[in-house]
Amino acid sequence: EDKVVQSPLSLVVHEGDTVTLNCSYEVTNFRSLLWYKQEKKAPTFLFMLTSSGIEKKSGRLSSILDKKELFSILNITATQTGDSAVYLCAVHQGAQKLVFGQGTRLTINP
Amino acid sequence: DAGVIQSPRHEVTEMGQEVTLRCKPISGHDYLFWYRQTMMRGLELLIYFNNNVPIDDSGMPEDRFSAKMPNASFSTLKIQPSEPRDSAVYFCASSPQLTNNYEQYFGPGTRLTVT
Repeated sequence: EDKVVQSPLSLVVHEGDTVTLNCSYEVTNFRSLLWYKQEKKAPTFLFMLTSSGIEKKSGRLSSILDKKELFSILNITATQTGDSAVYLCAVHQGAQKLVFGQGTRLTINP
Repeated sequence: DAGVIQSPRHEVTEMGQEVTLRCKPISGHDYLFWYRQTMMRGLELLIYFNNNVPIDDSGMPEDRFSAKMPNASFSTLKIQPSEPRDSAVYFCASSPQLTNNYEQYFGPGTRLTVT
């Protein structure tokens, strides 16, 4: 059965800290891995990764994929309270279908 | 661009009643997805359509759930009869038919409470 596992499930840090969120997967017909941020409403897209070892970066957020070890990490440096959200990892396995992990709930305390 | 539109935003109903959730995808997007999100199970794909045709409904929990897409700009998810365990947030998402773009654009969701 295809599965995507995220860790930790919950994380509480202080503003300014750096955090690393993990996503491992076991899926057939892997195409790409996507990260989403979900605040109080709908998930919003952050990154899509298709190739191993190439870092995607957007401001204080960055992500990298390891297709050999079947995982990805999402790093957030100099965290701010506005980074508090649930971060979702999803794997695309063909025909536009995404399999989502359970999410990591990140709380940034001032 | 209005994004994906869902209605209603909140629905409270009694067990046994029929519930219909509605979705308007982004214009020009060929794929439409229905998801359910709960604390226990996270975000689950229920069904998705390509060019108005259902492609994979393996995530639909049981026969009480049905989905239709009569045209490219409208889809419904119906639950009949509803049960308290159906309480969740239901998201609709759409995506374009591009080979290397798998990003899905989510609507604001419908929060369903069945009492």
